[in-house]
Amino acid sequence: DGGITQSPKYLFRKEGQNVTLSCEQNLNHDAMYWYRQDPGQGLRLIYYSQIVNDFQKGDIAEGYSVSREKKESFPLTVTSAQKNPTAFYLCASRDRGVSNEKLFFGSGTQLSVL
Amino acid sequence: GQQLNQSPQSMFIQEGEDVSMNCTSSSIFNTWLWYKQEPGEGPVLLIALYKAGELTSNGRLTAQFGITRKDSFLNISASIPSDVGIYFCAGSAGGTSYGKLTFGQGTILTVHP
Repeated sequence: DGGITQSPKYLFRKEGQNVTLSCEQNLNHDAMYWYRQDPGQGLRLIYYSQIVNDFQKGDIAEGYSVSREKKESFPLTVTSAQKNPTAFYLCASRDRGVSNEKLFFGSGTQLSVL
Repeated sequence: GQQLNQSPQSMFIQEGEDVSMNCTSSSIFNTWLWYKQEPGEGPVLLIALYKAGELTSNGRLTAQFGITRKDSFLNISASIPSDVGIYFCAGSAGGTSYGKLTFGQGTILTVHP
């Protein structure tokens, strides 16, 4: 089945620790995105990548880092500089070859601080 | 940045009732999307709108792209228990913002059998 796979589903971070969230897609989409979701709020854009080896900061990039070495993979690292990392993280992708702006989402990773 | 106000924040309805929710933007959008999210899962796309005034249906769901291009509406007819979830609007201004969606805060829908 084609889709977006996020792992792990649940992740716990200790103080001062960096953690990496995985996002893999087999939809052959060029563009990939990371959003953060807090209770009672909409999704906020962290980073996005329109093409391999290129990525841009979103609205809340501080304390996060990404890489895009392969088309199908877009991992997100939550660094120790992110002081409030507890949230639900969503990865999404989009087909740049199609003239629409439909994002397709993975099933998310819940990150909590120990 | 762009702001999206979605209302109502939550709705408690009886099975069989119709539901309406809307989103208003502080600026013009070229695209409006509506998503549904169930607990612990990612949002699923319901309807996409691309033209001012456009009215699009998906089963019992109907969405409209406001003629001012600053608002959108979602209606659910004859609600059923599986309609429960959080509904999000999302918009894009296109241009240099192409592919970057701004999301509303969500409408939590509860349906009582």
